[in-house]
Amino acid sequence: IQLTQSPSFLSASVGDRVTITCRASQGISSYLAWYQQKPGKAPKLLIYAASTLQSGVPSRFSGSGSGTEFTLTISSLQPEDFATYYCQQLNSYPFTFGPGTKVDIK
Amino acid sequence: EVQLVESGGGLVKPGGSLRLSCAASGFTFSSYSMNWVRQAPGKGLEWVSSISSSSSYIYYADSVKGRFTISRDNAKNSLYLQMNSLRAEDTAVYYCARIVEYMDVWGKGTTVTVSS
Repeated sequence: IQLTQSPSFLSASVGDRVTITCRASQGISSYLAWYQQKPGKAPKLLIYAASTLQSGVPSRFSGSGSGTEFTLTISSLQPEDFATYYCQQLNSYPFTFGPGTKVDIK
Repeated sequence: EVQLVESGGGLVKPGGSLRLSCAASGFTFSSYSMNWVRQAPGKGLEWVSSISSSSSYIYYADSVKGRFTISRDNAKNSLYLQMNSLRAEDTAVYYCARIVEYMDVWGKGTTVTVSS
């Protein structure tokens, strides 16, 4: 199963609403997770089962979708949110990741 | 505190071998499936291998199948990745991660560099 993400790069300002899309080459039900990664750090789980917020993750992060199209939304971008975001399907092996979306400061 | 700590990375020549370890603490290691994920310099994340809690089920990415072997020792709360016939394209940070239906706990990673 291939995953694509759009956009691959996003320039935004603090306070902006940001949406990242992840598309799967075939249906994966809701077996999708979103991770945030900052330079030199391990990925951090944000969203699992497409729309469930991981404990401790701010509520400005939300996820939606099922089947083949999914979105990650940050309702009001904060300085600590500038990072790269990856989707991952866990419907079947191999557990593929999307290519990532880098969110940069405008 | 739930924690995963990788070790064993380093510089190795093409064709060489290396064994990575991941020490788990703060949770019942024997109850969870575990994974290795890698990230080449400046690149995205790549899932490498998974092993079920009792080692009954093991999966590999095509890119490492036949060269890498995942294993675990539940008595020692440890996960391993034996890497043989290493290639330059195996150069990456290798992360171990716990998996339920998603990867919720990650180690900080260990760096493997394959170069002559």
